[in-house]
Amino acid sequence: DVVMTQSPLSLPVTLGQSASISCRSSQSLVSSDGITYLHWLQQRPGHSPRRLIYKVSNRDSGVPDRFSGSGSGTDFTLKISRVEAEDVGVYFCFQGTHWPWTFGQGTKVEIK
Amino acid sequence: EVQLLESGGVLKQPGGSLKISCTGSGFSFSSHAMSWVRQTPGKGLEWLSSVTDIGDDTSYADSVKGRFTISRDNSKNTVYLQMNSLRSEDTAVYFCTRDPPWFDPWGQGTLVTVSS
Repeated sequence: DVVMTQSPLSLPVTLGQSASISCRSSQSLVSSDGITYLHWLQQRPGHSPRRLIYKVSNRDSGVPDRFSGSGSGTDFTLKISRVEAEDVGVYFCFQGTHWPWTFGQGTKVEIK
Repeated sequence: EVQLLESGGVLKQPGGSLKISCTGSGFSFSSHAMSWVRQTPGKGLEWLSSVTDIGDDTSYADSVKGRFTISRDNSKNTVYLQMNSLRSEDTAVYFCTRDPPWFDPWGQGTLVTVSS
């Protein structure tokens, strides 16, 4: 199975500052069709997960442009610019290239 | 609005069985594959099983293969997860989600606790 490793696991940030989360996969996530099926989820406290970003860098509907995704191959990053209070929660990367589909351990973002 | 609503989570004893459900609304349920994913504090998010839009093909994680069965009833816009031979490590919040491996959206989850 593809192992997804996130860092850091805990990320205290100051309101208005930026935050970056790293996600590394144990194998390249470039599919045979040339697409990289790496996505990001946000889980706010007490809520179910919500997809934020799909195929590395595409924001889902309603996601503020403060969120951006980047990366390639085995190395990916989620960046939150100008962190707001509503961004508190746990962020997960997950891959849909190799079966079985797997998730990162999650990164908890909190306000300092 | 697209919604998924799980139900059926309860407290069960080890070795017991349980069937949980997920009902979709706001979209053409029969046109979408569906999946179950569970979340535990220890193992995080784990994909468990998926079923095609018409229910003719299923897939399972090794951790539940042979114990869990996914099915669907498109006339009721509902997908099910039959869980047999429950173990303490099956204690988790179970989510349904649409369109594997895109996993969007997610239901609110249902808590299954396996304990004596």
